[in-house]
Amino acid sequence: GNSVTQMEGPVTLSEEAFLTINCTYTATGYPSLFWYVQYPGEGLQLLLKATKADDKGSNKGFEATYRKETTSFHLEKGSVQVSDSAVYFCALSQGTGNQFYFGTGTSLTVIP
Amino acid sequence: NAGVTQTPKFQVLKTGQSMTLQCAQDMNHEYMSWYRQDPGMGLRLIHYSVGAGITDQGEVPNGYNVSRSTTEDFPLRLLSAAPSQTSVYFCASSYWGNFNTEAFFGQGTRLTVV
Repeated sequence: GNSVTQMEGPVTLSEEAFLTINCTYTATGYPSLFWYVQYPGEGLQLLLKATKADDKGSNKGFEATYRKETTSFHLEKGSVQVSDSAVYFCALSQGTGNQFYFGTGTSLTVIP
Repeated sequence: NAGVTQTPKFQVLKTGQSMTLQCAQDMNHEYMSWYRQDPGMGLRLIHYSVGAGITDQGEVPNGYNVSRSTTEDFPLRLLSAAPSQTSVYFCASSYWGNFNTEAFFGQGTRLTVV
């Protein structure tokens, strides 16, 4: 079956620190991979995506590379800001049903 | 550009009461879905629909009903609320048939059942 595993939180970093949030997946086919971000009190917003192996998704300084050989899609940012404080969800989607499978979410707090 | 609109944002119910969570989208998306978000469990799919008149169950459908009479609307009904249904509910929509597409989410409904 399909599933997503992401690192447990919460994660607390100082401003300008390097961020990595690990995400691995299990899928029966060739999924598309996504990172969503949820700011306090809001719904989920797409942060970035990758649709095939070795693709790199990027947005707002965040990056993630689709690694088929390790079934991973780790989220990275070189220098986090206080405004990046949010919950980050890794997700996969495959097939024509558009069904998404989400990880449990990782809460990030960035302190000045 | 409204996107996905959910109402209400907050709701408190007594055990056994019924209610409907509303969801509407203005992007002409075929696919709509309902998720619940619980601490430590991420988002779990309740029900989904691939078009008007077509609905199906997700991972956790028990205690919930849905219908899809129009492309725009996808209400979620709780027939007899239970404390275990205390959660944050999200509606999402996307184009169907293209698994590369992103899902667009509403802002959520925080439901408490006492």
